[in-house]
Amino acid sequence: DQQVKQNSPSLSVQEGRISILNCDYTNSMFDYFLWYKKYPAEGPTFLISISSIKDKNEDGRFTVFLNKSAKHLSLHIVPSQPGDSAVYFCAASAQEYGNKLVFGAGTILRVKS
Amino acid sequence: GAGVSQSPSNKVTEKGKDVELRCDPISGHTALYWYRQSLGQGLEFLIYFQGNSAPDKSGLPSDRFSAERTGGSVSTLTIQRTQQEDSAVYLCASSLDPRNYGYTFGSGTRLTVV
Repeated sequence: DQQVKQNSPSLSVQEGRISILNCDYTNSMFDYFLWYKKYPAEGPTFLISISSIKDKNEDGRFTVFLNKSAKHLSLHIVPSQPGDSAVYFCAASAQEYGNKLVFGAGTILRVKS
Repeated sequence: GAGVSQSPSNKVTEKGKDVELRCDPISGHTALYWYRQSLGQGLEFLIYFQGNSAPDKSGLPSDRFSAERTGGSVSTLTIQRTQQEDSAVYLCASSLDPRNYGYTFGSGTRLTVV
């Protein structure tokens, strides 16, 4: 039972354009959502998060949008840079579950120069 | 230390042997989590510690897996009688206050069972 789904295994984008990574969840108890970025042979690094009381959070080139009614969130990267090429994981948590993160399977982003 | 430290970074072991994986969290972080990532898969939750107690062990795949945390700091994940399907990258994360400070992951231990 995958509670967090990233349905696109990979995404290829031209440098300078927008990258949009999508994530869907099924558990309505989730109230905090995060995006992590992972390079090969490294641990995931935190990118941006959003609480369920918001619908948008922005940090530089990265913006996360949350649509609670659709149980959907997305990460926008604009403009995309070659250094953004990595695996992006969507994660969700709930205080009732001890704030453990439930991860999606990840999306490989390739930014072409 | 400045980050979450995991050791060893790589471990190759023979099927049937026991292994111990270590995690040194960021000093003062009360919450500690173990995850694993198998080839081509997402991150799978294993166990969560708050202080020295483990309120959630629901992700441990079998009774061959156990973990402990001592002094509210270092944690050890032990896999007994390793099997080939245990091959994965085992990741540890720690946090002081997840809602405000997020989670910091270590670089992981790559376990290969041959």
